[in-house]
Amino acid sequence: EIVLTQSPATLSLSPGERATLSCRASQSVSSYLAWYQQKPGQAPRLLIYDASNRATGIPARFSGSGSGTDFTLTISSLEPEDFAVYYCQQRSNWPPLYTFGQGTKLEIK
Amino acid sequence: QVQLVQSGAEVKKPGASVKVSCKVSGYTLTELSMHWVRQAPGKGLEWMGGFDPEDGETIYAQKFQGRVTMTEDTSTDTAYMELSSLRSEDTAVYYCATGIAVAGNRAFDIWGQGTMVTVSS
Repeated sequence: EIVLTQSPATLSLSPGERATLSCRASQSVSSYLAWYQQKPGQAPRLLIYDASNRATGIPARFSGSGSGTDFTLTISSLEPEDFAVYYCQQRSNWPPLYTFGQGTKLEIK
Repeated sequence: QVQLVQSGAEVKKPGASVKVSCKVSGYTLTELSMHWVRQAPGKGLEWMGGFDPEDGETIYAQKFQGRVTMTEDTSTDTAYMELSSLRSEDTAVYYCATGIAVAGNRAFDIWGQGTMVTVSS
């Protein structure tokens, strides 16, 4: 099973600052990595798929990069509504198994 | 647009089974590959299993094999997830999820609202 490790566990920043979140895979996942945002009491929302493609309706301040085992989600300038928990997720080729990282909590400093 | 509407909260005793439903609207179930993800209180997301369209089989995470069954009723466009031999650690919100705009179901862009399952004696 591919294990995804996210860092940091908690990130404390202020609105307007740049956020950089990391996700490392225990083995290569090619570019099959996605990022989700989750707010309390809500279902996760897809932000990025295939490492760098923004999902429909996602603002341009969200961007993803990386391939192989190291991936980054960047929020260029934090808005108040961006403070939430972020998860990365991968799908292995065969068998098609999915795993999530443990999450990064982005909190207001 | 596609919507996934799940059944309501459940309270079960240890050892019992629970069956959660997920009704699709805006698409037919045969057009989708449905997956199930759970989240224990204060914890992260955990994939339980889902339909693999490449071989027409449902694949389960090893952790749940033998205890979970995912089925579909195409006549009503409703997917089901049944978990048996419940224990307190199964207390969680259970989500159905699928990918519409992402090829190969590599990510889930549509989610149900979640169903809280509480296991308590």
